Formats: sequence, C-alpha cells, structure tokens
Amino acid sequence: SQTIHQWPATLVQPVGSPLSLECTVEGTSNPNLYWYRQAAGRGLQLLFYSVGIGQISSEVPQNLSASRPQDRQFILSSKKLLLSDSGFYLCAWSRTSYEQYFGPGTRLTVT
Amino acid sequence: KQEVTQIPAALSVPEGENLVLNCSFTDSAIYNLQWFRQDPGKGLTSLLLIQSSQREQTSGRLNASLDKSSGRSTLYIAASQPGDSATYLCALANQAGTALIFGKGTTLSVSS
Repeated sequence: SQTIHQWPATLVQPVGSPLSLECTVEGTSNPNLYWYRQAAGRGLQLLFYSVGIGQISSEVPQNLSASRPQDRQFILSSKKLLLSDSGFYLCAWSRTSYEQYFGPGTRLTVT
Repeated sequence: KQEVTQIPAALSVPEGENLVLNCSFTDSAIYNLQWFRQDPGKGLTSLLLIQSSQREQTSGRLNASLDKSSGRSTLYIAASQPGDSATYLCALANQAGTALIFGKGTTLSVSS
C-alpha cells in the first residue's frame, strides 16, 4: 500500500530564516506530487506541483520554491521566511486515477 | 476562473440524523471531484472521488452525487455519529493531474 510522509510535523522559525520541508511517498512510482498551504481562515491553496523529476510548476508567485530530486521526494524551501508564510503545509500525491492523497502536514509558525 | 463554494460553513446536528453537505462550482468543465474529511490539526482523508462521467459514488454511510450541468455536488451522511465530527472539504480538478481547487469547507459537529 502507498504511504506519504511529511516532516517535520511542527516547526517554529524566525522571520528571515531558511526553510526546508520534506515529503516522501512509498509504494508507488512516478506519482504526481503537490504542495498545498492552508492558512488560517482561508481555503487550501496549491503552491507547486510536479509530474516528474526536476519538473516543477508554480501556481502562486511567492518567496517559496520546490524541488523534486528523486521520483518520490518533494521538497519545499525558502531562503528567507516571512510572517505570511505561517500556515499548515500539506503534500499530496496522485497517479492514474488522479485521486489525490494527502500527508499528515507540517504546521509552520514564523515568529 | 473556477470557484468552489460550500454551504453551510458550519452545521450542528444530534446523533442519528441524516444530513446533506453542499458544494457548488462555477465552471461545469471539470475532470473529477473529491470529498475530503479533515480533523483538527490533521491532514486530509479522501472520502469519495467522482469522475466527471459519473453521477454518484457510495462508501458505507456516505453518498456523493455530482450534477455538472447545475454545478453542484452533495455529500449525504446517513445516521450521523459523533465520530463524524470534522471539517468536510469539496475539491475539484479542471483537468487530469492538475491541482485541486478547494472550497472552504463545512465544519460538522454531531452531538451525542
């Protein structure tokens, strides 16, 4: 069966510090991968999605970036965090049916 | 631009009631629609997926319907239980493999 992991589960970072969130998927190959953010009082918003290694599409311009160094690994990064980057970050994957499956999420608080 | 709306934003019912959660969308040219459940501080759990060619899907006490022509989907929960308390999110994809567009959810509270 397929499993999706995210870490860390929670993170508190000061403004201006770097960020690296990791997502890995087990039990499938060549998945589509997605990063979403859920901010307080707002709906889920897509940040990035990837259909293959090194292929990243950005939906919203921001100070975040994403990379896919391996088939089942998706990384969300920032060089300098802003207060507005606080939120709940969710990674998801899909394959042939395009049904999306979500990870447990990372709660990021920028102070 | 596709927009997804969920009404009501919150709903409180006593245990045992049958209930309906509503989801509406502005562009009927969708690829699929998913219903999710989210418990506080947790990730999303996929409940049901309806492809654009389907009218409904069922899983246990849950039944989801899709009417593309009217831009509506409903999630029917039969015989609600306190364990059903959560936020229910409707999301759809305009094309295969692209991002889901989410509604803001309906927060359900079922009292015993």
